[in-house]
Amino acid sequence: NAGVTQTPKFQVLKTGQSMTLQCAQDMNHEYMSWYRQDPGMGLRLIHYSVGAGITDQGEVPNGYNVSRSTTEDFPLRLLSAAPSQTSVYFCASSYSWRRDEKLFFGSGTQLSVL
Amino acid sequence: GENVEQHPSTLSVQEGDSAVIKCTYSDSASNYFPWYKQELGKRPQLIIDIRSNVGEKKDQRIAVTLNKTAKHFSLHITETQPEDSAVYFCAVSGGYNKLIFGAGTRLAVHP
Repeated sequence: NAGVTQTPKFQVLKTGQSMTLQCAQDMNHEYMSWYRQDPGMGLRLIHYSVGAGITDQGEVPNGYNVSRSTTEDFPLRLLSAAPSQTSVYFCASSYSWRRDEKLFFGSGTQLSVL
Repeated sequence: GENVEQHPSTLSVQEGDSAVIKCTYSDSASNYFPWYKQELGKRPQLIIDIRSNVGEKKDQRIAVTLNKTAKHFSLHITETQPEDSAVYFCAVSGGYNKLIFGAGTRLAVHP
């Protein structure tokens, strides 16, 4: 089991560019989510999904899109990158959304928007 | 929405001492309270969690206490070791695994 895999590990974008952060898990987890981590602010939930075809917004969804076409994959899209989106992004998953339980985090993507 | 405050933001202790980190939350419907540890440059990892029907939970040198009436919960680390140095995050959820995290506490354990 690879667990939760995120790519890329590092990315530099120019303002206005678009890109997709990839997240995949091989644990057959129902629940997947994206968080961003900024200094002094902890982790903030961007979007989450409780299964294929079902997504919803978290605390800070503006500027980000997600989709979940398969159980394994949950990509995060930045449509028009802004400097305020400079952050470390973590994907996380858990077996079920029906009960709060341990989240398995990916290794993170460090994104810089110039 | 839910608001989680975590104190202190930094904590420095001598090896062997105890460390206590406290979090307060605002939504009385919240019922799941995990703690995550994040070492420098690494991903967050769950170290202990507690649910609202339990007042205290212990796992070796780590314990968590919950006071639902006062809406606060605390992480206690006894006999601290240098490898306990990390950033610790509390979190709160009222369902659907939608965790709201505190801002984090940077713990430094000095030999």
